[in-house]
Amino acid sequence: KNQVEQSPQSLIILEGKNCTLQCNYTVSPFSNLRWYKQDTGRGPVSLTIMTFSENTKSNGRYTATLDADTKQSSLHITASQLSDSASYICVVTRGGADGLTFGKGTHLIIQP
Amino acid sequence: DAGITQSPRHKVTETGTPVTLRCHQTENHRYMYWYRQDPGHGLRLIHYSYGVKDTDKGEVSDGYSVSRSKTEDFLLTLESATSSQTSVYFCAISGGTSASKTHEQYFGPGTRLTVT
Repeated sequence: KNQVEQSPQSLIILEGKNCTLQCNYTVSPFSNLRWYKQDTGRGPVSLTIMTFSENTKSNGRYTATLDADTKQSSLHITASQLSDSASYICVVTRGGADGLTFGKGTHLIIQP
Repeated sequence: DAGITQSPRHKVTETGTPVTLRCHQTENHRYMYWYRQDPGHGLRLIHYSYGVKDTDKGEVSDGYSVSRSKTEDFLLTLESATSSQTSVYFCAISGGTSASKTHEQYFGPGTRLTVT
């Protein structure tokens, strides 16, 4: 069964600290892996997209890594800001319009 | 939200009534999608469209129908709403399928539907 598991479910950190979110998947065949940020009451917004040949991808203070062999990805947030408070969703695609499998997300809260 | 609007943004309706949600895009993207988001679940695909009058079912299509008569509009209809269809519904668009990393999915702001 194609699944995407994210950990932790929720995380609270102080402003300015770093954090790492995890994503493990069993989706096959693999096309690409995406990280989205979803602010409360808004739709998800894409942060990064990686194919199997890409080990790391950065978008400002966000850095995603991918290990296609172990089927794991992580999202590292550097020097967190209050605006980073959101849910972060890992999505793995098999290809095709209906080939996206979404994780349940990690709910991140940044405290001042 | 990448030129995507959804209407209404909030709706409360009674069990057994029909409901239609609208998604409108100004990006001229070929693919349009309807997802639902519920606590304890990842986003789940209801239906998608790959062109005018071309639609297909997703993972959780039972109880829903869709129509796309114009490139820019994708309608989701609940023929007879049930309490299990209480959810947040998101429309998304993309220029191509997910197989290509260049084809991002852009999401609308969502519609919160409550069926009482």
